[in-house]
Amino acid sequence: DSGVTQTPKHLITATGQRVTLRCSPRSGDLSVYWYQQSLDQGLQFLIQYYNGEERAKGNILERFSAQQFPDLHSELNLSSLELGDSALYFCASSLTATQNTGELFFGEGSRLTVL
Amino acid sequence: GESVGLHLPTLSVQEGDNSIINCAYSNSASDYFIWYKQESGKGPQFIIDIRSNMDKRQGQRVTVLLNKTVKHLSLQIAATQPGDSAVYFCAENERGSNYKLTFGKGTLLTVNP
Repeated sequence: DSGVTQTPKHLITATGQRVTLRCSPRSGDLSVYWYQQSLDQGLQFLIQYYNGEERAKGNILERFSAQQFPDLHSELNLSSLELGDSALYFCASSLTATQNTGELFFGEGSRLTVL
Repeated sequence: GESVGLHLPTLSVQEGDNSIINCAYSNSASDYFIWYKQESGKGPQFIIDIRSNMDKRQGQRVTVLLNKTVKHLSLQIAATQPGDSAVYFCAENERGSNYKLTFGKGTLLTVNP
């Protein structure tokens, strides 16, 4: 158990809909990251937050947004969903915002299926 | 596992043998590398890391080798066990950036008892 909690574990929805994925980082971790894992693209970095502020952006679509709340949990919002958004979405956390600490702890993912 | 791509490189070994998983990276600005293990239905789990000022690092039953000249990374697992069966990813981080890890496609390791 990494200590990172993601909900829901599974989500099935229709094209055009909007969903919210939730992540609670490990106790004490200030940085939260979102990754998307699909069959054809592998693991792709989406976005990072540190202590409530956006820190780095990756291949995140404009239809997607995220935020980190004062209690450090984070939400990833996916809107105007398309079939190609079907994937596993992972949240990860680390103590700091940089690579210096070494480990990034991943949750077990939220599997999104868009029909 | 359901998170694995259909065309992953695969490695099949016998229990007790040593395994070597290879990874090529392309960004010469990367200075930090990590190996992750992902079991079916789970998130990636950190195995071992190495910084670019090193060429070898050892952990418990695992060794990572880094060859910066040819941009190659390998993970060696000693005395491979059935519990080592998983997809293994290398990831790289660019110097000066935040934790924007770039992951490789992964290698599926199957350990036969």
